[in-house]
Amino acid sequence: SQKIEQNSEALNIQEGKTATLTCNYTNYSPAYLQWYRQDPGRGPVFLLLIRENEKEKRKERLKVTFDTTLKQSLFHITASQPADSATYLCALDPLDSNYQLIWGAGTKLIIKP
Amino acid sequence: NAGVTQTPKFQVLKTGQSMTLQCAQDMNHEYMSWYRQDPGMGLRLIHYSVGAGITDQGEVPNGYNVSRSTTEDFPLRLLSAAPSQTSVYFCASSQAPAERDSPLHFGNGTRLTVT
Repeated sequence: SQKIEQNSEALNIQEGKTATLTCNYTNYSPAYLQWYRQDPGRGPVFLLLIRENEKEKRKERLKVTFDTTLKQSLFHITASQPADSATYLCALDPLDSNYQLIWGAGTKLIIKP
Repeated sequence: NAGVTQTPKFQVLKTGQSMTLQCAQDMNHEYMSWYRQDPGMGLRLIHYSVGAGITDQGEVPNGYNVSRSTTEDFPLRLLSAAPSQTSVYFCASSQAPAERDSPLHFGNGTRLTVT
């Protein structure tokens, strides 16, 4: 079956270190992969989008990589801060899906001071 | 600029009751959608619309109806609430659907409990 997986266990990182979150998928040929941040009681907020022909995308302290051979995207937050604590969701667009993004369940990131 | 506004924030229904979840956006987005979010699962698409007068089913449409009479509004109707519909519901919008790399803008959700 087609699925997208994120680490269900919370990720605990010391402030100032780099946090790396993983998004793995099977049986898709995505055109785009997106990362969102979700805070408790709020809707997801868009962070970054990476296309299948892009290896890496950066925005300030954020970096996303996309490896279509490994079927994996990595999301990095450098110089992490307690304010970065949130749940991070990945979503892919399989292109043949008629506008239906496929979502991971999210990974909760906790940055400890 | 309010973005995507959802009402109500919380709702408790009894089994069999009906209700409408409201969603409005002020960004002139053509694409609007409804998702449900359950613990341990990714967001699941219920219904979506690529413009006024056009709607289509997502992954989990059963038990829900939608309509899109204006660009701004996209209400979600629960016809006869069931405990399995207990969830957090999110409305999201984005620019023209042909631009598949347009990010989604989400509301802050409606937490629905069906007893």
